[in-house]
Amino acid sequence: AQKITQTQPGMFVQEKEAVTLDCTYDTSDPSYGLFWYKQPSSGEMIFLIYQGSYDQQNATEGRYSLNFQKARKSANLVISASQLGDSAMYFCAMREGDGGAQKLVFGQGTRLTINP
Amino acid sequence: SAVISQKPSRDICQRGTSLTIQCQVDSQVTMMFWYRQQPGQSLTLIATANQGSEATYESGFVIDKFPISRPNLTFSTLTVSNMSPEDSSIYLCSVSKWSGYTFGSGTRLTVV
Repeated sequence: AQKITQTQPGMFVQEKEAVTLDCTYDTSDPSYGLFWYKQPSSGEMIFLIYQGSYDQQNATEGRYSLNFQKARKSANLVISASQLGDSAMYFCAMREGDGGAQKLVFGQGTRLTINP
Repeated sequence: SAVISQKPSRDICQRGTSLTIQCQVDSQVTMMFWYRQQPGQSLTLIATANQGSEATYESGFVIDKFPISRPNLTFSTLTVSNMSPEDSSIYLCSVSKWSGYTFGSGTRLTVV
């Protein structure tokens, strides 16, 4: 079974609008971390935001926020006031367990296109 | 977070040859991870490399095809052996530091 599911292969949004990218996950481990990465056409992976399973509040980083609904096992990324430079692939990823020895598992990704 | 230097950034290789990708980290890390990203696809973990021990390979990846070296806590190499066009992908190394994961800039490999 898929551990991380991103159901939107592509999204098209007008500049300055807010956009929500969906991510659902599946784990039985009570301790886990959820990550969002941006991958522009250059191929680099740019870290955007992190949410720990025990975090009480939704994570925010500038224009990025994470809508974490633990009971529904969803961790949607919200980008406010989208910009042309936000056009890229976006990946949701999960780490199960604690510490840095755990691998990241990635979703299929969503290609976001911002239209002027 | 750690800074990773990954080389080469891209290469075009003949089928049947091998390519070695290097990742140098600016600080000591316990684990290094190697991922493959096939065209239009997501990242798939190839193996986890721990210093001083054999790498741990994910299902579908074997040491003969993807040998990994981890001589110290700041360096690792991944070799793609006996390449075929199906190996054309982006290969990325990654490390974990302070619960975050940093990626190298990637190696874009084309096999002709």
